[in-house]
Amino acid sequence: GQNIDQPTEMTATEGAIVQINCTYQTSGFNGLFWYQQHAGEAPTFLSYNVLDGLEEKGRFSSFLSRSKGYSYLLLKELQMKDSASYLCAPFGISNDYKLSFGAGTTVTVRA
Amino acid sequence: GAVVSQHPSWVICKSGTSVKIECRSLDFQATTMFWYRQFPKQSLMLMATSNEGSKATYEQGVEKDKFLINHASLTLSTLTVTSAHPEDSSFYICSARGGGSGRAGELFFGEGSRLTVL
Repeated sequence: GQNIDQPTEMTATEGAIVQINCTYQTSGFNGLFWYQQHAGEAPTFLSYNVLDGLEEKGRFSSFLSRSKGYSYLLLKELQMKDSASYLCAPFGISNDYKLSFGAGTTVTVRA
Repeated sequence: GAVVSQHPSWVICKSGTSVKIECRSLDFQATTMFWYRQFPKQSLMLMATSNEGSKATYEQGVEKDKFLINHASLTLSTLTVTSAHPEDSSFYICSARGGGSGRAGELFFGEGSRLTVL
C-alpha cells in the first residue's frame, strides 16, 4: 500500500505563495502526480514528477525527492480561483500501477 | 488532453432501485478504467479497476455484487449500483488511463456523478 501524508487545510491571501508538502511511503515508486479538485468537481491534472528536482509550470511548481519520499506543490501569486483541494498521488508498481490519493489539502484563498 | 465523459452528472433515486452510470473515453481507447467514490470532505477511494473484455477487479471491502461493472468496449465502462440505499449516496468518478499524454500512469477523469438515494 501507500501511506500519503499532507496537511488537511491551508489558508492564504491573494497574491501570496503557498507550499503544500506531501510525504509518502511506497515501494516500486515510478512517479508522483498532483491534481487539483474544486468542490463538487472531478480532479484535474496539475503536474507529474518522475525525477528529483523542481518542475515549473507557470504559477505552479512541483518538487520531488525520491530518496526522501517527499514532494511539494508550490502555488505562487495566489488567486481566488485557486481555492480547491490539492491531491498528492504517488504512482508505482507496488500498487499494481493504480493511482491512489491522499485526503488532499484544502487551500482557501482570501482577499 | 484526452476527454472522458461521464453520465449522468446527477441522479436521485429511491431506496432499493438500481442506478447505472456510464463512463466513456471520447477520443482514445481505454483498456482500463477506474471507478472511484468520494464522500464529502474525504479522499477519492478506488472502488474497482474495470478491464475491457474481462471481469473487474474490486478493492478490498467493495461488494462486487452491489457495484456491477461492465467494460464491454474500449470506450465504455458502466457502473451499476444495485439496490441502492441512502448510505450509497456519494460522488462517483470514473477515470481512464491512456490518451497519449506521455505521462505514465496519468488518469483522465470524468465529470463525476452525484448519487442521492432517498
